[in-house]
Amino acid sequence: AQSVTQLGSHVSVSEGALVLLRCNYSSSVPPYLFWYVQYPNQGLQLLLKYTTGATLVKGINGFEAEFKKSETSFHLTKPSAHMSDAAEYFCAVTASGGSYIPTFGRGTSLIVHP
Amino acid sequence: EAGVAQSPRYKIIEKRQSVAFWCNPISGHATLYWYQQILGQGPKLLIQFQNNGVVDDSQLPKDRFSAERLKGVDSTLKIQPAKLEDSAVYLCASSLDWGPNTGELFFGEGSRLTVL
Repeated sequence: AQSVTQLGSHVSVSEGALVLLRCNYSSSVPPYLFWYVQYPNQGLQLLLKYTTGATLVKGINGFEAEFKKSETSFHLTKPSAHMSDAAEYFCAVTASGGSYIPTFGRGTSLIVHP
Repeated sequence: EAGVAQSPRYKIIEKRQSVAFWCNPISGHATLYWYQQILGQGPKLLIQFQNNGVVDDSQLPKDRFSAERLKGVDSTLKIQPAKLEDSAVYLCASSLDWGPNTGELFFGEGSRLTVL
């Protein structure tokens, strides 16, 4: 079985500050990992994904994430937060040799202060 | 390209009543998912269809929830009778296929259900 743990239900940063949202996964087979963003009253949209190859992946809106197998982590970062980044962020995992059904974390709400 | 369409966006019902949600996936997407998102939690898969066949419905409360995907396109999710704990946003998503790229889901805006 696969699972995802997102550390911190809320993260608060100042505009221009570094954004770091934490995600740890559990999977018995090589995982595929994803970050989704959900703006208020909207559906989820894909930010970035890791399947194979380069462990540092870049996504939309300046976000990136690094797959670290030894730490079973896939943290999301952005060098400089913008007010428009305020949203709910979800980490998700599918198992490459399994059912391929995405399992989502509980989400982290990013709050950006002026 | 049109996105995933869902309706209604909002629904308020009394407990023990019934409700139905409709989803139209992106054209050509073979795989369709229904997720339940309770406030403060991540989406939880209820059912996955591949074309018009069910791939996984292990977390669907079958005593009250049902879903169908006729002709492998549109899908309907029904709750009868509703309970207070069914209050949630019901998200429909679709993907081109099912396999290594399954994680790239395209979501609708969701249907928010309030059960009083």
